Amino acid sequence: KQEVTQIPAALSVPEGENLVLNCSFTDSAIYNLQWFRQDPGKGLTSLLLIQSSQREQTSGRLNASLDKSSGRSTLYIAASQPGDSATYLCAVSPRRGNTPLVFGKGTRLSVIA
Amino acid sequence: DGGITQSPKYLFRKEGQNVTLSCEQNLNHDAMYWYRQDPGQGLRLIYYSQIVNDFQKGDIAEGYSVSREKKESFPLTVTSAQKNPTAFYLCASRLNSPYNEQFFGPGTRLTVL
Repeated sequence: KQEVTQIPAALSVPEGENLVLNCSFTDSAIYNLQWFRQDPGKGLTSLLLIQSSQREQTSGRLNASLDKSSGRSTLYIAASQPGDSATYLCAVSPRRGNTPLVFGKGTRLSVIA
Repeated sequence: DGGITQSPKYLFRKEGQNVTLSCEQNLNHDAMYWYRQDPGQGLRLIYYSQIVNDFQKGDIAEGYSVSREKKESFPLTVTSAQKNPTAFYLCASRLNSPYNEQFFGPGTRLTVL
């Protein structure tokens, strides 16, 4: 059974710092991996989608990488800002027919001004 | 403006009552999903539907029911059989392919009084 882990559960950094969030998954048979952001009391916002054939995707200050063989993905945030404070979740699409995404529990990020 | 709407934003229920949460999307997505989120916990899948008039149980379907009579709509009923219904409920959708990006609605917070 596919499991997704995000460590650490919480992270606090000073403004301006570059940071990396980690996501690991137990089964490398995936179609893709998706990173989401969730603000308190809100829905999830899709940040980046990486297909299994891709190594990375970039959007603005965000860069997500995927190493399928080792079961790892990282979300790199450059020059962090207080507005980046949120919970970041990753999810994989298992390569077992058309089954739902499997989510990690997220990393709660606080960027301190 | 394409997207997923959930209503109401806040819902209060007395014990023993059934309530229905609305989820509508105009993205022409085939697949729709319901998740439950509790404080400090990850997302848990309740039900999902990949096509009209068909749906499957997720990990925590007991005490919930759904219908999918229209492509755009996937209402969730929280029945009196659900022992701990107070939670944040999220609806999501995507095209019926595991390669595609998943999108979320803004959520409904249900409180049982």
